[in-house]
Amino acid sequence: AAGVIQSPRHLIKEKRETATLKCYPIPRHDTVYWYQQGPGQDPQFLISFYEKMQSDKGSIPDRFSAQQFSDYHSELNMSSLELGDSALYFCASSLEVKGTQYFGPGTRLLVL
Amino acid sequence: GENVEQHPSTLSVQEGDSAVIKCTYSDSASNYFPWYKQELGKRPQLIIDIRSNVGEKKDQRIAVTLNKTAKHFSLHITETQPEDSAVYFCAARSFNKFYFGSGTKLNVKP
Repeated sequence: AAGVIQSPRHLIKEKRETATLKCYPIPRHDTVYWYQQGPGQDPQFLISFYEKMQSDKGSIPDRFSAQQFSDYHSELNMSSLELGDSALYFCASSLEVKGTQYFGPGTRLLVL
Repeated sequence: GENVEQHPSTLSVQEGDSAVIKCTYSDSASNYFPWYKQELGKRPQLIIDIRSNVGEKKDQRIAVTLNKTAKHFSLHITETQPEDSAVYFCAARSFNKFYFGSGTKLNVKP
């Protein structure tokens, strides 16, 4: 069965640069979630989208923005990167907001 | 907002024994409680979930119980195997947000 796809899988950036992470949900899933997970930490909810509209917002910094496109894929845009942004970024998708959430493989971001 | 607490942070059991991980939540509006298994550097994998209208759910060696009154839910793994070793996260969904517990590192000794 098709799973959530994230790209790139690994990304190295320098401070103050920008990064764009992409997420392709499971086919027919209309809800996308973004999480940030630091080493040894639990996943922290950043933001979610349902039917191309922002559904809810968590601890997402103002330097980050995200959107969901007409084909339901989502992009997380990160600007003015800081060392502390180094983490695993997971995208998850579900069928409707109440559906079971499935995680993608994650993007490992390293900010130098 | 929701606050999910998870205990213990580490758990070491002998192969074949049972393991129990407990979580509490604070928001009575939370209505869905998934459990994830995460191996190092990999994605969280859903292993079982329970909705607020159900008190218990079982899937082979894994079971989850929910006490809505006390706002706590637990993961039970029976007949543990070395491949069960991983970090386990509980989570609670309140409206459209998921809140995760801090994780339990389970080590199953052969």
